[in-house]
Amino acid sequence: DAGVIQSPRHEVTEMGQEVTLRCKPISGHNSLFWYRQTMMRGLELLIYFNNNVPIDDSGMPEDRFSAKMPNASFSTLKIQPSEPRDSAVYFCASRLQGISTGELFFGEGSRLTVL
Amino acid sequence: QQPVQSPQAVILREGEDAVINCSSSKALYSVHWYRQKHGEAPVFLMILLKGGEQKGHEKISASFNEKKQQSSLYLTASQLSYSGTYFCGTETPGGKLIFGQGTELSVKP
Repeated sequence: DAGVIQSPRHEVTEMGQEVTLRCKPISGHNSLFWYRQTMMRGLELLIYFNNNVPIDDSGMPEDRFSAKMPNASFSTLKIQPSEPRDSAVYFCASRLQGISTGELFFGEGSRLTVL
Repeated sequence: QQPVQSPQAVILREGEDAVINCSSSKALYSVHWYRQKHGEAPVFLMILLKGGEQKGHEKISASFNEKKQQSSLYLTASQLSYSGTYFCGTETPGGKLIFGQGTELSVKP
């Protein structure tokens, strides 16, 4: 079975441009997380969804960041306008969350560089 | 509140043992452990649930002290393949899973 699929794998853009990162979770998983990883801040939780509904977005840095999950097989993370400090690796992860907690499966990440 | 991991880094020789600790200030539902190799995504190692249930790899062991909100990961007879950054993830009852800063483990021949 395919794992979590993220695109693009690499993105280089200029400050002020809009960036859209995409994620396709593992089929059947009902919980999806977006994390951002930098050397300084480690692996930060930005937002997570259960059954396509955003549950906690307190980690979203500011209004420039938005995330959507229109259906069970697709999610986007959008940054508009982008700034150099947004440069990081963005990971999407999914899991099956039922009566008991489940392990997270991570995508390979999207490396964003904002010039 | 991000869980606190210690040590931040550790260097081992092959065959030596290591312990990585994780503590949280919040009441936890479970603790997760992941390993990340350079340039790759984190990979699941183990989940420890409130009540004592564990799910994970046979060769890696861990403990979860529910009263103290602390967990420890035990790496015994380390191999070169154990090198990487280890993250503990703490999960609250609502399903929110946040990670510590990571512990960088280097195993030398």
